[in-house]
Amino acid sequence: NAGVTQTPKFQVLKTGQSMTLQCAQDMNHNSMYWYRQDPGMGLRLIYYSASEGTTDKGEVPNGYNVSRLNKREFSLRLESAAPSQTSVYFCASKTSANYGYTFGSGTRLTVV
Amino acid sequence: QKEVEQNSGPLSVPEGAIASLNCTYSDRGSQSFFWYRQYSGKSPELIMSIYSNGDKEDGRFTAQLNKASQYVSLLIRDSQPSDSATYLCAVNMANAGNMLTFGGGTRLMVKP
Repeated sequence: NAGVTQTPKFQVLKTGQSMTLQCAQDMNHNSMYWYRQDPGMGLRLIYYSASEGTTDKGEVPNGYNVSRLNKREFSLRLESAAPSQTSVYFCASKTSANYGYTFGSGTRLTVV
Repeated sequence: QKEVEQNSGPLSVPEGAIASLNCTYSDRGSQSFFWYRQYSGKSPELIMSIYSNGDKEDGRFTAQLNKASQYVSLLIRDSQPSDSATYLCAVNMANAGNMLTFGGGTRLMVKP
């Protein structure tokens, strides 16, 4: 049972490059989320998708875009990477209000 | 005032002692409460959930909820060095749909 799978696990980008972080879940969860985690800042919500076909901005959406490709997959795109986007990115999914998130293993992104 | 607050720590306890981790939240209508454990360099892992006032026990872990005081805690009995991690409190607030709001986390250190 894979749970939430994120790729890649590590990535180094040059300033201005673009990339897409992939996330897929096999638990038939309705809601999916992208967070970034920085030292001293905790988990900050970038974008979320409450259900297939919908996406909404979170706390720190600037510089990012998302696509909910289908119920399983939710991708995060950096169009023009900046050093301020150096972070650890977590994808999570959830089925309903009485359940917690299941997190992916994370992507450690460095922008130089 | 943050919506979910935790003391950042570090909380240092000797091996075998009880570790007590605390969390307060601002939304009185919150319904679901979760504790996550996050080892350094890893993703958060759900360890406890609680929905009604009182105590909920699972092995060495006890979650306590007091909705009147807007307070949730996690007790770890017989603390082990392997319990050393950051513990995140998460709350499903009213009108937030499926979204969780996280505290900043408390770093726990269990010393042999």
